[in-house]
Amino acid sequence: DAGVIQSPRHEVTEMGQEVTLRCKPISGHDYLFWYRQTMMRGLELLIYFNNNVPIDDSGMPEDRFSAKMPNASFSTLKIQPSEPRDSAVYFCASSALARITDTQYFGPGTRLTVL
Amino acid sequence: AQKITQTQPGMFVQEKEAVTLDCTYDTSDPSYGLFWYKQPSSGEMIFLIYQGSYDQQNATEGRYSLNFQKARKSANLVISASQLGDSAMYFCAMREDSKLTFGKGITLSVRP
Repeated sequence: DAGVIQSPRHEVTEMGQEVTLRCKPISGHDYLFWYRQTMMRGLELLIYFNNNVPIDDSGMPEDRFSAKMPNASFSTLKIQPSEPRDSAVYFCASSALARITDTQYFGPGTRLTVL
Repeated sequence: AQKITQTQPGMFVQEKEAVTLDCTYDTSDPSYGLFWYKQPSSGEMIFLIYQGSYDQQNATEGRYSLNFQKARKSANLVISASQLGDSAMYFCAMREDSKLTFGKGITLSVRP
């Protein structure tokens, strides 16, 4: 079974450009999570979805960030316009359910560099 | 207040020896799950082991075991017979509801 798939693996862009990160969760998983990892702040939850519906976006840093999940097998995280401080590794994760016993499985991450 | 605390800045262990990575947590919820993840230099997050707050026995998964002390709110990861491939960053995380809260991580270096 394929794990969580993310694309691109690396993205280098210039300040002000739009960036779109993509994620395909594990088939059958109802929950999808977007995280950001930086040296300063560690791993932060940005937003999560249940059955394609955004449940909690309190971790989204500002209006420049938006996320969508148009169907059960695809989600995007968009940054517009991008800024150098957005440089980080962005992870997508999925879990079957959201009980305390349910493991979140992570994708390989997208390393974003904004120049 | 931090929910997950990992205070060891970096750990070194000789190959084939055992090592313990510390994790303390803070919650008033009686129902929670504790997870450990490994992040090698390649960057992916790999799930290692899970412990539920109601589990009576410590979790084990191959060379990984969890020393769960509920009263002390600690969930230390024990790696037995360390291998060079164990060199990585290790994260402790807690799930109280839908969300997973991570600690800052601990770097483990295995010496040959």
